[in-house]
Amino acid sequence: NAGVMQNPRHLVRRRGQEARLRCSPMKGHSHVYWYRQLPEEGLKFMVYLQKENIIDESGMPKERFSAEFPKEGPSILRIQQVVRGDSAAYFCASSAAGTSGKETQYFGPGTRLLVL
Amino acid sequence: QKEVEQDPGPLSVPEGAIVSLNCTYSNSAFQYFMWYRQYSRKGPELLMYTYSSGNKEDGRFTAQVDKSSKYISLFIRDSQPSDSATYLCAILSGGSYIPTFGRGTSLIVHP
Repeated sequence: NAGVMQNPRHLVRRRGQEARLRCSPMKGHSHVYWYRQLPEEGLKFMVYLQKENIIDESGMPKERFSAEFPKEGPSILRIQQVVRGDSAAYFCASSAAGTSGKETQYFGPGTRLLVL
Repeated sequence: QKEVEQDPGPLSVPEGAIVSLNCTYSNSAFQYFMWYRQYSRKGPELLMYTYSSGNKEDGRFTAQVDKSSKYISLFIRDSQPSDSATYLCAILSGGSYIPTFGRGTSLIVHP
């Protein structure tokens, strides 16, 4: 009964490099959400995706950030030309399709990004 | 005013104490209420969710919702050191897939 999986768990990048964060949702889940968490702050929504569709990206910076959830494979959050302010924990969550599942999200262990 | 307010704490209690964690919210459209527990350097774990006013109990945990006051609570009975974590409330309106999270309250249960 695998839960939400994220990799890598820790990622170190130098300024200007690209960061790629991966998320595999729970089995049977087709909704994926990405959040960012900074120390002393709560979880901030970034983007909500279903297979091959971005449903809501209102929380994602317009530049340098992109996300996808292809038909096959994990969801990817990409950060181009990283800056120190991108250092944070990035969490992926998934939920089941349908009314009964939409209100419960299950989180992965997170990827901790450190930009040097 | 933030949509969801939660005191960050830390809240320090002795083992065995009853813990009360609270959130207030401003949007009356919120219908679903959740509590997550997050251990240090881990992902949030769903503890409880409810969609109605009143109480919901699960073992040592009780979630309480008062929609008229826009106030939700999580009670932990017989608290244990293993309960030491950050507790986040999350609230969702009926027409949305995106919950709004509180900042989280840090709980420390000391032996």
